[in-house]
Amino acid sequence: GIQVEQSPPDLILQEGANSTLRCNFSDSVNNLQWFHQNPWGQLINLFYIPSGTKQNGRLSATTVATERYSLLYISSSQTTDSGVYFCAVLNSGGSNYKLTFGKGTLLTVNP
Amino acid sequence: DAGVTQSPTHLIKTRGQQVTLRCSPISGHKSVSWYQQVLGQGPQFIFQYYEKEERGRGNFPDRFSARQFPNYSSELNVNALLLGDSALYLCASSLGYFGQPQHFGDGTRLSIL
Repeated sequence: GIQVEQSPPDLILQEGANSTLRCNFSDSVNNLQWFHQNPWGQLINLFYIPSGTKQNGRLSATTVATERYSLLYISSSQTTDSGVYFCAVLNSGGSNYKLTFGKGTLLTVNP
Repeated sequence: DAGVTQSPTHLIKTRGQQVTLRCSPISGHKSVSWYQQVLGQGPQFIFQYYEKEERGRGNFPDRFSARQFPNYSSELNVNALLLGDSALYLCASSLGYFGQPQHFGDGTRLSIL
């Protein structure tokens, strides 16, 4: 099946800093989503971005489908950004009905 | 509009028991998927149902079963519970079956004693 690798596994920032999270995938995809899982376990949709660039406030994401990677940018980080960020893909062939998640990036933003 | 709702939020069971988890999708969504998330890992796919038919199954034993009702809500059943079944169970809904963004509920946290 498709492999999804996220980096870095852990990231510690001071409030106000910027960061880039990366997601590499091993096969073509027709769906890629970024999620934020807060400390209470809620999975919050950040972006649906199978290709191109999107922005939502301090967050933006870019997926280069031909190169099989996606980037999540967080600018001016806040303590409420802490949590685990997951990339999940739905690949074009085979099991095209299920999201395959990476292992996540644990982000800690200190005041 | 209400998001995906799951019940119960927390559940404690003992080994060997059976459990039923419930999920109501976003209004208008016809596809429901179930995922298991153990501590420290990403969610793992269990089932997908679309229009009341099973469309996909992950690598889980037959103790796990699910169904979807005419109103598109869904139940996940787990029999003969094991300690390793302790996890957060997440339900996701989407408009369609293929390639649609999935929206997750808050999950049911299941603890097995």
